[in-house]
Amino acid sequence: DIQMTQSPASLSASLGETVTIECLASEDIYSNLAWYQQKPGKSPQLLIYYANSLNDGVPSRFSGSGSGTQYSLKINSLQSEDVSIYFCQQNYDSPRTFGGGTKLELK
Amino acid sequence: EVQLVETGGGLVQPGRSLKLSCVASGFTFNNYWMSWTRQAPGKGLEWVASITNSGGSTYYPDSVKGRFTISRDNAQNTLYLQMNSLRSEDTATYYCTRDYDGYYLDYWGQGVMVTVSS
Repeated sequence: DIQMTQSPASLSASLGETVTIECLASEDIYSNLAWYQQKPGKSPQLLIYYANSLNDGVPSRFSGSGSGTQYSLKINSLQSEDVSIYFCQQNYDSPRTFGGGTKLELK
Repeated sequence: EVQLVETGGGLVQPGRSLKLSCVASGFTFNNYWMSWTRQAPGKGLEWVASITNSGGSTYYPDSVKGRFTISRDNAQNTLYLQMNSLRSEDTATYYCTRDYDGYYLDYWGQGVMVTVSS
């Protein structure tokens, strides 16, 4: 199985700050990576697919990048509504596997 | 508006069975793969099962293979998950998800809780 390692596990940032979350795959996943946002008490929602494609309705302050085994999610100008847990997921090989999540809080 | 509404969760004893249902609306159900994904309390996400749009092929991780069966009724816009031989480690919120051809999960239901305990 492909292992997905997210870092950091938790993150505290101020409003307006830029934050970056990393996701490392145990082997090349050829940009078959998605990012999901889970707000407190809610279901996850798709943010980014194919590593850098923004899902419909997602604010442009979110962006994804990366290739090979290394990927990142960047949030520009952090807003209060961005407080969430963020998960990466590889879709290159079965079983699909998720990262452990990054909990983003406001400082 | 895409809606996915899960039902069928609850408390069940180890070794028993439970069947989840998910009624879909707001899109052409038989055009899309569908999946189930779960989340144990306070934990991360785990993919559980996927089914192609026709229902002709199904996919499972080793953790549930042979115990869980995903199926669909395209006439009723309904997705199912039959769970047999349940274990305590199956305790989780189960989400019905629309699946873009096995690549990413673009819509999620509100989730249904399954608790396996004696």
